[in-house]
Amino acid sequence: DIQMTQSPSSLSASVRDRVTITCRASQSISSYLNWYQQRPGKAPKLLIYAASILQSGVPSRFSGSGSGTDFTLTISSLQPEDFATYYCQQSYDTPRTFGQGTKVEIK
Amino acid sequence: QVQLQESGPGLVKPSQTLSLTCTVSGGSISSGGYYWSWIRQHPGKGLEWIGYIFYSGSTYYNPSLRSRVTISVDTSKNQFSLKLSSVTAADTAVYYCARDQISSANKDWFDPWGQGTLVTVSS
Repeated sequence: DIQMTQSPSSLSASVRDRVTITCRASQSISSYLNWYQQRPGKAPKLLIYAASILQSGVPSRFSGSGSGTDFTLTISSLQPEDFATYYCQQSYDTPRTFGQGTKVEIK
Repeated sequence: QVQLQESGPGLVKPSQTLSLTCTVSGGSISSGGYYWSWIRQHPGKGLEWIGYIFYSGSTYYNPSLRSRVTISVDTSKNQFSLKLSSVTAADTAVYYCARDQISSANKDWFDPWGQGTLVTVSS
């Protein structure tokens, strides 16, 4: 299985901060990488697919980059509704696997 | 707009079979271009992909669960289902169904998701 490792596991930030979350794959996955946001008690929501393509309806403050083994999710200006847990997921191979999550908390 | 909704018992006894159904609305499960997936999340933990099915009935399961999992599809009802046998407390989780959209470049992603249903394994 392809292991996905996110860092940090949690972070504290303030509104309007720039936040960066990284995801590393245990082998090259090209750009087969997706990002999801999960608010407490809710289902995950797709933010970015194919490493850098913003899902329709997702605010432009979210962006994704990377290829191969190293990927980044950036929130350019953190908003109150962005406090949540973020997961990366590879779709290069089966079984599909997720990172362990990064919890973004209010400072 | 496609929506998915899980249904099934919230409590299952150890050693029994967990059975859930996902009803798809706003689109046809037979339209092609999608896999239909089950994903679970243990309490307070991360996400684990269980497996998926194509409308034709072809399946792929996570090897970690393969011996106990069956996913099936009923195109006439626009539903797909999950059966997980010989459950233990370790199978207690929120179970999500999700559409797995396949792109022309053969990339895929989960969108949308159902709201999830908590299944507790306990006697």
